[in-house]
Amino acid sequence: DGGITQSPKYLFRKEGQNVTLSCEQNLNHDAMYWYRQDPGQGLRLIYYSQIVNDFQKGDIAEGYSVSREKKESFPLTVTSAQKNPTAFYLCASAPGDSYEQYFGPGTRLTVT
Amino acid sequence: ILNVEQSPQSLHVQEGDSTNFTCSFPSSNFYALHWYRWETAKSPEALFVMTLNGDEKKKGRISATLNTKEGYSYLYIKGSQPEDSATYLCAFIGSWGKLQFGAGTQVVVTP
Repeated sequence: DGGITQSPKYLFRKEGQNVTLSCEQNLNHDAMYWYRQDPGQGLRLIYYSQIVNDFQKGDIAEGYSVSREKKESFPLTVTSAQKNPTAFYLCASAPGDSYEQYFGPGTRLTVT
Repeated sequence: ILNVEQSPQSLHVQEGDSTNFTCSFPSSNFYALHWYRWETAKSPEALFVMTLNGDEKKKGRISATLNTKEGYSYLYIKGSQPEDSATYLCAFIGSWGKLQFGAGTQVVVTP
């Protein structure tokens, strides 16, 4: 089945540790996105990539890093510099000629 | 960061009643507006992709209209059913290609 996978569904980390969230797609989409959702707020764009080996900062990129070495993969690293990392993280992809987002199931990260 | 607002934040609807809610967005540099439905424990799914002023799209009992000149879109649910309960998100895409989501309208349909 074609789709987007994110793993794990729940992730727990101690403060001060970096953590990497996985996002894989087999839809052959060119563009991939990372969003963060906090209670009562909409989806906020962290990073996006429209082509392999290229990515741009979104609205809240501070404390995060990404890589796009393969078309199907767009991992997000939450670094210790991110002040409030506890949140729900959604990955999405979109075809090259459209911005219609196809979302993964999300990862809920809790940092204590 | 662009100003994309959705109202109301939440609404409760009796089964069988119709309802509508709003997404407002910047009226300049418009490229497209998307509507997504996000059901609990699932991923958001696209409902409509709207690109032209005056666009009206329909999927079953749900429809949407678009006014790019004044910067708003309405989503209508006719004869609400419990399975329509979800958060409805709009996303504005500007001519530079970046998406900005609204905070969503949470719809609860009670039998």
